[in-house]
Amino acid sequence: DIQMTQSPHSLSASLGETVSIECLASEGISNYLAWYQQKPGKSPQLLIYYASSLQDGVPSRFSGSGSGTQYSLKISNMQPEDEGVYYCQQGYKYPFTFGSGTKLEIK
Amino acid sequence: QVKLLQSGAALVKPGASVKMSCKASGYTFTDYWVSWVKQSHGKSLEWIGEIYPNSGATNFNEKFKGKATLTVDKSTSTAYMELSRLTSEDSAIYYCTPGVGWFAYWGQGTLVTVSS
Repeated sequence: DIQMTQSPHSLSASLGETVSIECLASEGISNYLAWYQQKPGKSPQLLIYYASSLQDGVPSRFSGSGSGTQYSLKISNMQPEDEGVYYCQQGYKYPFTFGSGTKLEIK
Repeated sequence: QVKLLQSGAALVKPGASVKMSCKASGYTFTDYWVSWVKQSHGKSLEWIGEIYPNSGATNFNEKFKGKATLTVDKSTSTAYMELSRLTSEDSAIYYCTPGVGWFAYWGQGTLVTVSS
């Protein structure tokens, strides 16, 4: 199985700050990488797919980048509603696998 | 709009089975694989497997082979997952989500609690 290693495990950011979350795949995944946000008691929400494509309705302060085995999610101008847990997921090879999650809080 | 309505929470005894449902609307049910994803309390997400409603073809995470059975009812646009020989390790929220590779729409989740 492809292992997805996410970092950091948690972070806190001030309003307006820019934060980045990293995801490292154990093998190349050809940009078949998605990012999700999950809030307490809610289902995950797709933010980014194919490494850098913004899902409809997602604010443009979210962006994704990367290639090969290394990917990142950037959140610019941190807002209160951005608090939550973020997961990366590879859709390149079965079984699809998720990262362990990054908990993002407001400082 | 796409909606996925999952069945309600279940409390089941160890060793028993549970079958949950996921009723889809707002898209052509037979056109998209439907995946099931497990989330244990406070933990990350695990992909269980997927079913293609048009043919009934399935793909599974090896970890869940023998544990999960996926079926569909095309007439009602409903996907089902049955979990067998339940243990405490199966206590979790289970989500259904259509898609190929990534998942834009999710059900609200079904909480399964395994307890005597």
